[in-house]
Amino acid sequence: GAVVSQHPSWVICKSGTSVKIECRSLDFQATTMFWYRQFPKQSLMLMATSNEGSKATYEQGVEKDKFLINHASLTLSTLTVTSAHPEDSSFYICSAREVIHSYEQYFGPGTRLTVT
Amino acid sequence: AQTVTQSQPEMSVQEAETVTLSCTYDTSESDYYLFWYKQPPSRQMILVIRQEAYKQQNATENRFSVNFQKAAKSFSLKISDSQLGDAAMYFCAYRTPYNNNDMRFGAGTRLTVKP
Repeated sequence: GAVVSQHPSWVICKSGTSVKIECRSLDFQATTMFWYRQFPKQSLMLMATSNEGSKATYEQGVEKDKFLINHASLTLSTLTVTSAHPEDSSFYICSAREVIHSYEQYFGPGTRLTVT
Repeated sequence: AQTVTQSQPEMSVQEAETVTLSCTYDTSESDYYLFWYKQPPSRQMILVIRQEAYKQQNATENRFSVNFQKAAKSFSLKISDSQLGDAAMYFCAYRTPYNNNDMRFGAGTRLTVKP
């Protein structure tokens, strides 16, 4: 099956610094990628939708200047958390939708971000 | 706006028994997809089963089957012969066929399997 990877799987950073999370579709092309945030014992909340070569569309309440998303190619999207604060600590999951079978959506393994 | 509701925060089942997880949704669309995802402690989202709304036949995948009631907007998951490895969070999800539309998730049901 199709595989989506995320790197890093776990990152600790100091408050005020920025951290970049990569999401790659390994064996398929993804025109659309989604970034979700998941707090402990809660559901996935969509942060933004990105299309290759276009600006991301952010959900209401998500600061686009704080969570920078770049979908530079059909296999790579990045989420950069700028000037991170402890409240940004969370589990971030990316998901990629395949070009051919548009109903297939594959999830990455997630990245645990801890801001100290 | 489409919403997905899972009214059972937690469920428990004895090993080898059958359990049903409930899901309802609200939409004005006629064409859409419904999904059940499993999220084990590793937190990797795993697709359990998918149902296309235009199909009247309920989807099945080995021990997993759904009861899709389109008029009632209900989409329950039945797990037969429950195994210890089935213990996880289960999320019901909805999306339309349009490429940019995201997937909407329910709040989740935590399933415990007792040996």
